[in-house]
Amino acid sequence: AQSVSQHNHHVILSEAASLELGCNYSYGGTVNLFWYVQYPGQHLQLLLKYFSGDPLVKGIKGFEAEFIKSKFSFNLRKPSVQWSDTAEYFCAVKDTDKLIFGTGTRLQVFP
Amino acid sequence: DTAVSQTPKYLVTQMGNDKSIKCEQNLGHDTMYWYKQDSKKFLKIMFSYNNKELIINETVPNRFSPKSPDKAHLNLHINSLELGDSAVYFCASSLPGDYYGYTFGSGTRLTVV
Repeated sequence: AQSVSQHNHHVILSEAASLELGCNYSYGGTVNLFWYVQYPGQHLQLLLKYFSGDPLVKGIKGFEAEFIKSKFSFNLRKPSVQWSDTAEYFCAVKDTDKLIFGTGTRLQVFP
Repeated sequence: DTAVSQTPKYLVTQMGNDKSIKCEQNLGHDTMYWYKQDSKKFLKIMFSYNNKELIINETVPNRFSPKSPDKAHLNLHINSLELGDSAVYFCASSLPGDYYGYTFGSGTRLTVV
């Protein structure tokens, strides 16, 4: 079965800093990858997804992610974070009938 | 219009009690799910239903029983609640196929005391 690793458990940044959150999945073949965001006290919202085609995927709120098949990675990036980006970020992979989530990365952005 | 709605939002109850959480989606999706998010924010799937039929049951204690009266509803009943059941439970729904992500409800924070 697929699994997802997020190695950054807690990231602290100042506003306007650039962000990159790591995500690795366990094995190759056709994969469908997702990034979700969970703002404090709220539900998960889809940021972006990769299905096929262009490996650079653009999502909402200025986020993007790059699928690198050779590295089994799908890292999330944002060139300039804002205080409002403070949240928990989850990478996920579709495995048969279900979404498998990583353990999440807590992002804190200070003004 | 709320796409996936769960009730209640908060639930505080004593050990040994039986409780239910309700979920409804108005997106016309065929598949619904229950996820449990523990205190470390780890999300783990519990169940999924496709058009009222149980598809996934992920080694969840049989004290947890999902019920899907129709494809728009998926309720979760928990018997004999234990302290370890304290968590946030999220309902989600999706269209069939790998391309689609899930739409999540706002969660039910269950606290067992």
